[in-house]
Amino acid sequence: SQTIHQWPATLVQPVGSPLSLECTVEGTSNPNLYWYRQAAGRGLQLLFYSVGIGQISSEVPQNLSASRPQDRQFILSSKKLLLSDSGFYLCAWSVTQNTEAFFGQGTRLTVV
Amino acid sequence: AQSVAQPEDQVNVAEGNPLTVKCTYSVSGNPYLFWYVQYPNRGLQFLLKYITGDNLVKGSYGFEAEFNKSQTSFHLKKPSALVSDSALYFCAVRDPFTGNTGKLIFGQGTTLQVKP
Repeated sequence: SQTIHQWPATLVQPVGSPLSLECTVEGTSNPNLYWYRQAAGRGLQLLFYSVGIGQISSEVPQNLSASRPQDRQFILSSKKLLLSDSGFYLCAWSVTQNTEAFFGQGTRLTVV
Repeated sequence: AQSVAQPEDQVNVAEGNPLTVKCTYSVSGNPYLFWYVQYPNRGLQFLLKYITGDNLVKGSYGFEAEFNKSQTSFHLKKPSALVSDSALYFCAVRDPFTGNTGKLIFGQGTTLQVKP
C-alpha cells in the first residue's frame, strides 16, 4: 500500500535561518507531488507541484523553493526564513488527475 | 478562473441530526470534485469524490455528497451526525483541463461542530 512520510512534525526556526522539509512517498511510481501551506488553520494554498524528477512548478511568488531529486522525494527549502513563512505545510501526492490526492501529516513551522 | 466556495465558516448541529456542509464551484468543463476532513494539527483525509456517473456519491464514515451541475454545487451530507464528526471540512475541485498536473483548488474550509 502507498504511504507518505513528512518530517519533521514541528519546527521552530529563527528569522534568517535556512529551512528544509522533506516528504517521501512509498508504494507508487512517478506520482505527482505537491506542497501546500495552510495559514491560520483554514484554506490551503498550493505552493509547488511536480510531475516528475527535476520538474518543479511554482504557483505563487515567495521566499521558498522546492526540489525533487528522486522520483518519490519532494523537498521544500528556504535560504532565509521570514516571519511570514510560519504556517502548516502539507505534502501530498496523486497518481492521475481523476484520483484523489493523499496528504502527509503536515509540518508546523514557527518562525521566531 | 477556477474557484471553490464554502459559504459557511462554521456549521453547528446536534448529535443524531442530519448535517449539510455546502460547497459551490466554478470551473471550465466538467469538474472533478473532492471532500476532505482535517482534525487538529493533522493532514487532510480523503472522504469522497465525484468524477462522473451517479450524482450521489458515498464515501467514508457515512458521508455522502450530491453533485448538482445546474447549481454548480457539491454539498456534503450525513443522515445522522456524531460528535466525532466535529472537524474542519474542505471541498476541492480539479479542473480536468489542467492536463496531468492534478492540481487541487480548495475552499476555505467549514468547521463542523456536533454537540451532544
